[in-house]
Amino acid sequence: DQQVKQNSPSLSVQEGRISILNCDYTNSMFDYFLWYKKYPAEGPTFLISISSIKDKNEDGRFTVFLNKSAKHLSLHIVPSQPGDSAVYFCAASEYGGSQGNLIFGKGTKLSVKP
Amino acid sequence: DSGVTQTPKHLITATGQRVTLRCSPRSGDLSVYWYQQSLDQGLQFLIQYYNGEERAKGNILERFSAQQFPDLHSELNLSSLELGDSALYFCASSVGGTVYNEQFFGPGTRLTVL
Repeated sequence: DQQVKQNSPSLSVQEGRISILNCDYTNSMFDYFLWYKKYPAEGPTFLISISSIKDKNEDGRFTVFLNKSAKHLSLHIVPSQPGDSAVYFCAASEYGGSQGNLIFGKGTKLSVKP
Repeated sequence: DSGVTQTPKHLITATGQRVTLRCSPRSGDLSVYWYQQSLDQGLQFLIQYYNGEERAKGNILERFSAQQFPDLHSELNLSSLELGDSALYFCASSVGGTVYNEQFFGPGTRLTVL
């Protein structure tokens, strides 16, 4: 059973608009969440993270929101740029971070059109 | 370029065979992770090593084994291969062994089992 779910396989937005990528999780023990971006023929690269003690974390154009009661997090990209076109993976961890293993969703493919 | 190298890039083999995937972590990184990405699946955590010792284990099949050598490079051995083992195998490395240490991913090894 998938513990981290990204229910939208793809998303298309216009350049300059906001992109919102969503992620749901089922394990209430998850206490650290991350977003990774992946371009074709490359490995994933870390984008942004958030601890369960926070509900928002911002880094430039990227903001992650966490709603623990709903077991939901989202990644906002504002403004979206064509170079943001990639597959975005949501990931989660438990164990208080003592181990490095991450549980990933299946990813959402974002297409930003000029 | 993440600094993590994986060889080979592509591997085609037959069912029942055994293969070895190799990973060289970034200079200075002590932890190595292995992930499997099957078609339409997110990345599945297989195993983590930290400074030569196994740190965490995911849903790694008994037919699979891994090790981290004194020079910190790692190998993932897959034996008695089945068609379902066809996937992208990613290696990642980080300085420390916790989830708070950013993981840098290699470009992956694409394994095709015929």
